[in-house]
Amino acid sequence: SAVISQKPSRDICQRGTSLTIQCQVDSQVTMMFWYRQQPGQSLTLIATANQGSEATYESGFVIDKFPISRPNLTFSTLTVSNMSPEDSSIYLCSVATGAYGYTFGSGTRLTVV
Amino acid sequence: DAKTTQPPSMDCAEGRAANLPCNHSTISGNEYVYWYRQIHSQGPQYIIHGLKNNETNEMASLIITEDRKSSTLILPHATLRDTAVYYCIVSGNTPLVFGKGTRLSVIA
Repeated sequence: SAVISQKPSRDICQRGTSLTIQCQVDSQVTMMFWYRQQPGQSLTLIATANQGSEATYESGFVIDKFPISRPNLTFSTLTVSNMSPEDSSIYLCSVATGAYGYTFGSGTRLTVV
Repeated sequence: DAKTTQPPSMDCAEGRAANLPCNHSTISGNEYVYWYRQIHSQGPQYIIHGLKNNETNEMASLIITEDRKSSTLILPHATLRDTAVYYCIVSGNTPLVFGKGTRLSVIA
């Protein structure tokens, strides 16, 4: 299955600032997915990122708040913009890996103060 | 919304089999049943998946009923390291939608 490197693993940020999270995959993949996991909750899909096209956002998530880049088939970034304490969550990227279903990164634990 | 229903929590004695149920009565013909687990807020870990036949791998067994409306994940000899939240997900060629899962506590 694919191996995902996600950076940073954790960060503490001031409200009103932005953080960019990177997701690097060791193989080429068509679709990458970004999830949010709020404290004590399950994972919620933010968006699907295809290379060469605009990301597709789920209901409740907008591009201005969570801009996504997908410059090639092995890399994607998610930016959390104009952060507030409500954005404190774990952010995870994921890719489809065929026979093994989907592989997830280890996540970025974000705390906004 | 998630298309599965799971009990919120279960306990299992160490060394015994853990049987985790999942209902997915609205599953479509082309949708697979996936099981993942999440330990200490790490990224979810793939366990097993199946379409309609029972499946077994080195981690677990998946039993799917003939009508495909429910399934059971079996961890044959649970250890303390199996304590985690277990998610049952049905999905075709679409991103995974997570429900609340079952919090399994393996007790010594």
